[in-house]
Amino acid sequence: DAGITQSPRHKVTETGTPVTLRCHQTENHRYMYWYRQDPGHGLRLIHYSYGVKDTDKGEVSDGYSVSRSKTEDFLLTLESATSSQTSVYFCAISEARVSGEQYFGPGTRLTVT
Amino acid sequence: RKEVEQDPGPFNVPEGATVAFNCTYSNSASQSFFWYRQDCRKEPKLLMSVYSSGNEDGRFTAQLNRASQYISLLIRDSKLSDSATYLCVVIGGNEKLTFGTGTRLTIIP
Repeated sequence: DAGITQSPRHKVTETGTPVTLRCHQTENHRYMYWYRQDPGHGLRLIHYSYGVKDTDKGEVSDGYSVSRSKTEDFLLTLESATSSQTSVYFCAISEARVSGEQYFGPGTRLTVT
Repeated sequence: RKEVEQDPGPFNVPEGATVAFNCTYSNSASQSFFWYRQDCRKEPKLLMSVYSSGNEDGRFTAQLNRASQYISLLIRDSKLSDSATYLCVVIGGNEKLTFGTGTRLTIIP
């Protein structure tokens, strides 16, 4: 299995609080992604990174920001959490751009009350 | 019409049977296709790529039908461990990667 970890694995937070999720990889892959997964929806891309300090928005980026200061770490921040951001968040990595061969972390279950 | 559609199931299939399900896509310029499996409360894992000529990996066969714009996954001699949700992934002509919502498969002893 690819070396990808996510922390925390579970979090309950209140509306309006900031939340940061961390993704850490040991594979030295250039591309990293943050997705959310909700019932009735496929995995939806929030943001992605194509290198240190190089990031771009995905299809559901509103309310989220990201940072990548090191190859191995990709952080997702919810500046002011809302109940609509209750979801399962997955980080993924790939060697190539626009790759269908992605390797996912174990996920973070976030509940915003 | 959704870019990628899958029958959500569930498909309840006896152990040892053959099962197949499809994933349709709307963009005729789509160029790359994949199948993932996702166990309950786990992360998706790449199962196999789908080539134009088809792809077989043990009991699993993936095929592409460009004329009708769908990919298929066939599982022969199904095992209890095959119980999972199967996600298709389509990369469109605009290089947009889209996940399907998944088909849930349960293998019954």
